[in-house]
Amino acid sequence: DVKVTQSSRYLVKRTGEKVFLECVQDMDHENMFWYRQDPGLGLRLIYFSYDVKMKEKGDIPEGYSVSREKKERFSLILESASTNQTSMYLCASSLLQGFGYTFGSGTRLTVV
Amino acid sequence: QQQVKQSPQSLIVQKGGISIINCAYENTAFDYFPWYQQFPGKGPALLIAIRPDVSEKKEGRFTISFNKSAKQFSLHIMDSQPGDSATYFCAARGSTLGRLYFGRGTQLTVWP
Repeated sequence: DVKVTQSSRYLVKRTGEKVFLECVQDMDHENMFWYRQDPGLGLRLIYFSYDVKMKEKGDIPEGYSVSREKKERFSLILESASTNQTSMYLCASSLLQGFGYTFGSGTRLTVV
Repeated sequence: QQQVKQSPQSLIVQKGGISIINCAYENTAFDYFPWYQQFPGKGPALLIAIRPDVSEKKEGRFTISFNKSAKQFSLHIMDSQPGDSATYFCAARGSTLGRLYFGRGTQLTVWP
């Protein structure tokens, strides 16, 4: 069964901490995405990557950065976590043309 | 600016009834329209999808209706069941690198 695996289901961090969210896919997909999901706001794209070391800003990139050193792994970095970054974070991957979009189960991050 | 507008935000339907969720878009370059289903604690999963050269697609109790001239598409769930209670997202694929643009989601509750 193909999978997108996010390293943590729940995470609690303090304000100002540097936070790493990790995502691994085993489908050899070219594209990888990071979304945050908030009630009433749906799925908002933070960053995506269409190739190793390549990245594109999504709709809400402020306060975040990403890293993709290997095709299967895509990391989301919160440089200095703030309480307004408390959210559910979802990783996804897809083929280059956008087919086969597959989501992970999400990481619920709480910043206190 | 929201690329895909989805309504209603929430929907309550009696068991056996028809659930209808609507989406609208403006960008005529969109060329693929999937629907995703998300259960609590899980990531969204592909439910059904349609291309704009087809006006309707049916898979079991789920049907997408597509109106290209009106730039609208909708999901119909026939004979709705309590197990269909979930959040549903419509989406549209842009031409740039296969990115999907998501609606804000509809929380469907089916009462037994």
